[in-house]
Amino acid sequence: GAVVSQHPSWVICKSGTSVKIECRSLDFQATTMFWYRQFPKQSLMLMATSNEGSKATYEQGVEKDKFLINHASLTLSTLTVTSAHPEDSSFYICSAGKYGEQFFGPGTRLTVL
Amino acid sequence: GENVEQHPSTLSVQEGDSAVIKCTYSDSASNYFPWYKQELGKRPQLIIDIRSNVGEKKDQRIAVTLNKTAKHFSLHITETQPEDSAVYFCAASDSGGGADGLTFGKGTHLIIQP
Repeated sequence: GAVVSQHPSWVICKSGTSVKIECRSLDFQATTMFWYRQFPKQSLMLMATSNEGSKATYEQGVEKDKFLINHASLTLSTLTVTSAHPEDSSFYICSAGKYGEQFFGPGTRLTVL
Repeated sequence: GENVEQHPSTLSVQEGDSAVIKCTYSDSASNYFPWYKQELGKRPQLIIDIRSNVGEKKDQRIAVTLNKTAKHFSLHITETQPEDSAVYFCAASDSGGGADGLTFGKGTHLIIQP
């Protein structure tokens, strides 16, 4: 199969702090991973494409200095939400492509107080 | 960029009846069209997908049709069951689902009435 994990599954932090979310492909190598954000009762929105060994590609309207992405290995991509604020509270989901389809991680629920 | 429209936003059907959800897309280069089922607080689960070289695909009670000329694709669920209740998302990609991210529709909340 193709399994993608995320850590943590949920996190609560204070406004102004930074939070790091990890996305791992457990049984395959992923040169490309994707980060999505989903607000309550809304759809998934692609935030950025994470490329192993190079800079991430951000979608229009996503602040690259606020959402730092590092894809340091073929199995790990990290998303760091810097100086988080309550409006950043959301469900963050990563995915990786394999066998011509996307495999999603279980998501990370971020709550910023 | 790609824009995917999905209708209806809510669909209520009697158990055993059929449900149809429709999506349109804007980018003629898109060639991969998956459908996902998402339960509250969980990851999207792929239920069926179709690529641009076919017009229809079926898997037991679920089928997807694609009209590339009109740029629309539809999800058909027959003999609906209570466990089909969930939010369904359509999506589109121009790389076969692997190299590029997905553009999602806004979702359809499917309610199966017992």
